[in-house]
Amino acid sequence: AQTVTQSQPEMSVQEAETVTLSCTYDTSENNYYLFWYKQPPSRQMILVIRQEAYKQQNATENRFSVNFQKAAKSFSLKISDSQLGDTAMYFCAALISNFGNEKLTFGTGTRLTIIP
Amino acid sequence: NAGVTQTPKFRVLKTGQSMTLLCAQDMNHEYMYWYRQDPGMGLRLIHYSVGEGTTAKGEVPDGYNVSRLKKQNFLLGLESAAPSQTSVYFCASSDATNEKLFFGSGTQLSVL
Repeated sequence: AQTVTQSQPEMSVQEAETVTLSCTYDTSENNYYLFWYKQPPSRQMILVIRQEAYKQQNATENRFSVNFQKAAKSFSLKISDSQLGDTAMYFCAALISNFGNEKLTFGTGTRLTIIP
Repeated sequence: NAGVTQTPKFRVLKTGQSMTLLCAQDMNHEYMYWYRQDPGMGLRLIHYSVGEGTTAKGEVPDGYNVSRLKKQNFLLGLESAAPSQTSVYFCASSDATNEKLFFGSGTQLSVL
């Protein structure tokens, strides 16, 4: 079974600083997709960034970027110039196809607090 | 600009009662999903559907049933609620399995 592991239950950082959230996953497949979702106190799930495993270039969305290390099965999220609105739960997720059965598996989340 | 709408937003049930959660999407998406979110466990897939009239089991399907009679609606049923089903339930939809999921705002369900 595929697994996604987020080893940091909670993190906090000062406003305007940079923070990196860790995520590792387990699969023997070559083709898959990785995602970071944000869940603010409103409970709404919001897609932050998406990475295709076949692409070597790391995905970037404004202040958000990933460090995708395929051999190490690592997919960390870097938030630059952090803002108060970045305070939220962050979930890493992996979509892995196994004999036509595709399932999006989530990690347990990292609660990020931006300190004013 | 509705997207994915879940009803109800909150519900309290007694053990043994039944209820149905409704998910509606207006984006003509083929794929729809039901997840539950519990503290320290992330989101876990209950059931999903790859198109109208089809359903499939996810990671934690026991105690739940689903139906997708219309493309835009995905219903999640609890026939006999148990305290272990106390959770936040999220519905999501997507155009394809590898594309972005659009989530509803969740349903907080408490079973006493």
